Amino acid sequence: DAEITQSPRHKITETGRQVTLACHQTWNHNNMFWYRQDLGHGLRLIHYSYGVQDTNKGEVSDGYSVSRSNTEDLPLTLESAASSQTSVYFCASRDGSYNSPLHFGNGTRLTVT
Amino acid sequence: QKEVEQNSGPLSVPEGAIASLNCTYSDRGSQSFFWYRQYSGKSPELIMFIYSNGDKEDGRFTAQLNKASQYVSLLIRDSQPSDSATYLCAVTGNTDKLIFGTGTRLQVFP
Repeated sequence: DAEITQSPRHKITETGRQVTLACHQTWNHNNMFWYRQDLGHGLRLIHYSYGVQDTNKGEVSDGYSVSRSNTEDLPLTLESAASSQTSVYFCASRDGSYNSPLHFGNGTRLTVT
Repeated sequence: QKEVEQNSGPLSVPEGAIASLNCTYSDRGSQSFFWYRQYSGKSPELIMFIYSNGDKEDGRFTAQLNKASQYVSLLIRDSQPSDSATYLCAVTGNTDKLIFGTGTRLQVFP
């Protein structure tokens, strides 16, 4: 069965360190998304990609970057981790149709100390 | 005004009752509407989607869409304790990105 795999599931890091969260999907979807989820804010879009070499900023992109070198992977990098980036991060994908639902990974819980 | 608004709850209903969850959205150009369920510590999972005005039924779930009033609702019939979760409303606006509400927590008590 197709799936989205995120790693690691849990990560603790220190302020100022660079951190990369992995996302790998076997749906063969062109569209991939990164969200963060915080109490009171719901799911907020960080970055998204519509295909290889395409990346776009979402509503909360400051301090984050992504790259898309193949269809399957969209790693999320925190350039210099801050305590405000402590959150649960979800990767999602869908096919190219605007009315297609998102398929989510299991999430990564990141703590920045 | 938030783009997608939901009452955070908790909404408490007895087992066997109908749970009614509501969502309003601000973008009149929105085209696609989704309901996701999220158990504590888990990822969101799709329950239903609706594109046209009116009702759409799937088992115990009914989604209702009223574009003129800009609201979408989810009815859960014969609510079970296993339905206790947070329900997220998501809307595709005039871009094709999905915008989520903050979710409504549902508690079904025996």
